[in-house]
Amino acid sequence: DIVMTQSPLSLPVTPGEPASISCRSSQSLLHSNGFTYLDWYLQKPGQSPQLLIYLSSYRASGVPDRFSGSGSGTDFTLNISRVEAEDIGVYYCMQAVQTPQTFGPGTKVDIK
Amino acid sequence: QVQLVQSGADVKKPGASVKISCKTSGYNFTNQFIHWVRQAPGQGLEWMGIINPNDGTTNFAQQFQGRVTLTRDTSTATVYMDLRSLRSGDTAVYYCTRDHYGSSLYWGQGTLVTVSS
Repeated sequence: DIVMTQSPLSLPVTPGEPASISCRSSQSLLHSNGFTYLDWYLQKPGQSPQLLIYLSSYRASGVPDRFSGSGSGTDFTLNISRVEAEDIGVYYCMQAVQTPQTFGPGTKVDIK
Repeated sequence: QVQLVQSGADVKKPGASVKISCKTSGYNFTNQFIHWVRQAPGQGLEWMGIINPNDGTTNFAQQFQGRVTLTRDTSTATVYMDLRSLRSGDTAVYYCTRDHYGSSLYWGQGTLVTVSS
């Protein structure tokens, strides 16, 4: 199985400031079809997770453009250009290049 | 709009089975795979398996093989997850999700299953 790691695991943020989370996979997430199967999800307190970024850098419908994903191969980053109070929660990266799909341990983002 | 509505919370004794339903609407049911993901209390997300509603084929994470069954009813656009031989470690919120390029774009509201004697 592909092992996903994230850093940091806890991230205090200041509203209006940028933030970033790193994700690393134990194998390349580049599929033979040319797409890189790395997702980012946000789970707000008491809610189901929501998809933010898929295929490494595509924003899901309705996701604010302050969220962006980048990276390739085994190293990925989620950037938030200006954090808002509603962005608090746990962020997970997940690989979908092969089954079983596997998630990172999560990064808890809260307000400083 | 796309919706996945799951059955309600359940309490089971160790060794029992649980069956959770996931009723979908707002899209062509047979066109998109359905995933199942679970989350133990205070823990992260764990992918369990996937079903192709078009032909019923399934794929599971190894730790669930032999203990979980996914089925679908195309007449009601509903997917069912059956987990057997429950143990305390199966206490979790179970989510069904709809696939989008391998990702889980739409999520059900989650179903809490508590396994307790």
